[in-house]
Amino acid sequence: AQTVTQSQPEMSVQEAETVTLSCTYDTSESNYYLFWYKQPPSRQMILVIRQEAYKQQNATENRFSVNFQKAAKSFSLKISDSQLGDTAMYFCAAMDSNYQLIWGAGTKLIIKP
Amino acid sequence: GAVVSQHPSWVICKSGTSVKIECRSLDFQATTMFWYRQFPKQSLMLMATSNEGSKATYEQGVEKDKFLINHASLTLSTLTVTSAHPEDSSFYICSASKVRAGVSQEQFFGPGTRLTVL
Repeated sequence: AQTVTQSQPEMSVQEAETVTLSCTYDTSESNYYLFWYKQPPSRQMILVIRQEAYKQQNATENRFSVNFQKAAKSFSLKISDSQLGDTAMYFCAAMDSNYQLIWGAGTKLIIKP
Repeated sequence: GAVVSQHPSWVICKSGTSVKIECRSLDFQATTMFWYRQFPKQSLMLMATSNEGSKATYEQGVEKDKFLINHASLTLSTLTVTSAHPEDSSFYICSASKVRAGVSQEQFFGPGTRLTVL
């Protein structure tokens, strides 16, 4: 079975700083997708970034980028120039062969002014 | 595109009554919908997966007679909490996925429904 581990329950950084959230996963699938979702206080789940495992190039979306280390089964999220609106819970997830998402426990990120 | 709505956004009911939550994909056809439960400060817990026109597949430990799921069309799935009790109080989230070229690449989430059972 797939597992996703987020080892940082909470992180706090100053506005405009760069922060990296860690995620490791375990899977026996040959091809899979990895995701980072953001859940702000409104509790609406928002897709931040997606990575296809067969693509070696790290995905980027504006200030958000990932460091995908397939051999190490690591999928960290880097947020550059952090903004107050980035304050949220961040969940790492892996999609299994049944299209189900396996979720990490989440990291609470606080951006301080 | 890829908007998912949920109704109601919050509901309060008396113990013993049933509550229905609707999940709709507004601008795409969802071959598969998922129902999650989320407790405060915790991750999402998958309750069941429903495919249009077939019975839902429930995760281990989820009572299928208590949490009735119907996926009657490609744009609508419903979750009915039957004979609700205070321990059923929670935040329920649905998501929908569309399959392209035989591969589902993303789930699109509804805004969630907060259920409080008195």
